[in-house]
Amino acid sequence: AQSVTQLDSQVPVFEEAPVELRCNYSSSVSVYLFWYVQYPNQGLQLLLKYLSGSTLVKGINGFEAEFNKSQTSFHLRKPSVHISDTAEYFCAAKGNNQGGKLIFGQGTELSVKP
Amino acid sequence: SAVISQKPSRDICQRGTSLTIQCQVDSQVTMMFWYRQQPGQSLTLIATANQGSEATYESGFVIDKFPISRPNLTFSTLTVSNMSPEDSSIYLCSVSRTGYGYTFGSGTRLTVV
Repeated sequence: AQSVTQLDSQVPVFEEAPVELRCNYSSSVSVYLFWYVQYPNQGLQLLLKYLSGSTLVKGINGFEAEFNKSQTSFHLRKPSVHISDTAEYFCAAKGNNQGGKLIFGQGTELSVKP
Repeated sequence: SAVISQKPSRDICQRGTSLTIQCQVDSQVTMMFWYRQQPGQSLTLIATANQGSEATYESGFVIDKFPISRPNLTFSTLTVSNMSPEDSSIYLCSVSRTGYGYTFGSGTRLTVV
């Protein structure tokens, strides 16, 4: 069964510093990958997705992620974070035999400090 | 992508009662999904709701506790039955559309007292 592991539960970082949030998934014949952000007391917002094609995916708010099939990873990066990026970030995956189910990682709390 | 309206946005309920959560989508979708997010936790899939058939429940979730309706291609409800404080969570509905990925409703924040 598909599984998703986010390697860091909390990531503290200073404003304007770069950040990487790590995500690994269990291998599948093919896989679709997603990053979502959840701001405090809000729902989930899609940051970016990888369905096929270029392995470097650009999303909203200056975030990007790279699909690495050999390492089964889909790490999220941003070159310079803002205070407003403070939120919970979820990596999610769907295998091609999952019947449409989206499997989530445990989440990473990004805390941006001034 | 699809726009989802989820109601209520929050509620405080007495233990032993039931709450029905509604999810309305602005376009027809084949599959709708219901998730639970317990405090400080990630999202766990409760069930997949297909129009015209019984919902498919994940391990650990049963129809008697979380009955689901899917009367048409734009609407679904999830009922949390005979609630206890352990049911206090955020409940979210989600839909998927080819090429767009998954869209989530804003969630229902349920507190059981």
